[in-house]
Amino acid sequence: GENVEQHPSTLSVQEGDSAVIKCTYSDSASNYFPWYKQELGKRPQLIIDIRSNVGEKKDQRIAVTLNKTAKHFSLHITETQPEDSAVYFCAAGGTASKLTFGTGTRLQVTL
Amino acid sequence: DAGITQSPRHKVTETGTPVTLRCHQTENHRYMYWYRQDPGHGLRLIHYSYGVKDTDKGEVSDGYSVSRSKTEDFLLTLESATSSQTSVYFCAISEIAGGSYEQYFGPGTRLTVT
Repeated sequence: GENVEQHPSTLSVQEGDSAVIKCTYSDSASNYFPWYKQELGKRPQLIIDIRSNVGEKKDQRIAVTLNKTAKHFSLHITETQPEDSAVYFCAAGGTASKLTFGTGTRLQVTL
Repeated sequence: DAGITQSPRHKVTETGTPVTLRCHQTENHRYMYWYRQDPGHGLRLIHYSYGVKDTDKGEVSDGYSVSRSKTEDFLLTLESATSSQTSVYFCAISEIAGGSYEQYFGPGTRLTVT
């Protein structure tokens, strides 16, 4: 089955700096790569996703890049703000609409 | 919030007792999922459903069963609860859009097995 690895497990940045979270996947059949943000005590929320026919996607301060050859994808957050502090999860999906999640990155944005 | 509710939201139960968690959706989505979330493990798929009475196992299905007799309800049963099943359980639904499978999560159920 699919295996998704996510790094780093924790990340601390100063407000205004950029943050990058990286994930690798193992199954070349995976073709859908979402990212979720989870605040403390809340449900995971979908923030951005990318499909295998696209190399990069942006939505305001967040962007995701995908390298299918290397089987890795990354989340980029620019101009970080305190409200970006949360746990971020990457995931990979393919057949049967199932997703395999990474183990999460705790992002802390300090003032 | 994609019209997803979970009940109960919190439950404490004793080892060996059966427990049933309910996920209810109001928007007629075909796919429904049960995940558990534990520190250091992210979200792990327990079971999923792709239609009424159509279910399949995920990566951590041992000790769990599911049923889906109506489109709107997906039940997760712990047949005989163990302390290792103490976790936060999330239900999710899937919207299929242009070949991707966007999943949206319910509010979660915190289960403690003593």
